[in-house]
Amino acid sequence: GAVVSQHPSWVICKSGTSVKIECRSLDFQATTMFWYRQFPKQSLMLMATSNEGSKATYEQGVEKDKFLINHASLTLSTLTVTSAHPEDSSFYICSAPLGGLQETQYFGPGTRLLVL
Amino acid sequence: GENVEQHPSTLSVQEGDSAVIKCTYSDSASNYFPWYKQELGKRPQLIIDIRSNVGEKKDQRIAVTLNKTAKHFSLHITETQPEDSAVYFCAANNAGNMLTFGGGTRLMVKP
Repeated sequence: GAVVSQHPSWVICKSGTSVKIECRSLDFQATTMFWYRQFPKQSLMLMATSNEGSKATYEQGVEKDKFLINHASLTLSTLTVTSAHPEDSSFYICSAPLGGLQETQYFGPGTRLLVL
Repeated sequence: GENVEQHPSTLSVQEGDSAVIKCTYSDSASNYFPWYKQELGKRPQLIIDIRSNVGEKKDQRIAVTLNKTAKHFSLHITETQPEDSAVYFCAANNAGNMLTFGGGTRLMVKP
């Protein structure tokens, strides 16, 4: 299957700082990538759809000014959590659909964010 | 928008028994239904998927059935093994090919 990487895998930061998470499709191009957040023992909640060359589409209730998304190339999308607070601590996972099968999504390994 | 309900939330079976997880969805336009397996702290892994033009799909010990009329689909795992223990998520696609996930089922296979 397709390979999606994420960096970093773990990050611990102080409250008020910003954290950038990278999502890369390693062996295919992705014009669209998805960002999810997963709290402990809960399901994956879609935060936003990242679109290469255009603005991201955010789900209801997700603050676009707090969660900045940049899809600068066909293989890279970044999520920046600005002015992070303890309630932002979560598991952030990206996914990318492969080729023409737009629904078949391959997930990155996730980034665990802990805000102190 | 799409709403996906998944049951049960936890399932404990004896090794060798079968496990069945059920999901319902609300959007009749959904036509793609994947199942993901997620081990603790790991990424979700696609294990099987089904599209609306078929009613059943099988891959070794895993099978998925789809009833479009009733808007429900199920995952069947036969001859369960301890390594099948994980959290399983169903999902359904919606406009823009985004996926809406069910709440997850924690499967525990006891040796």
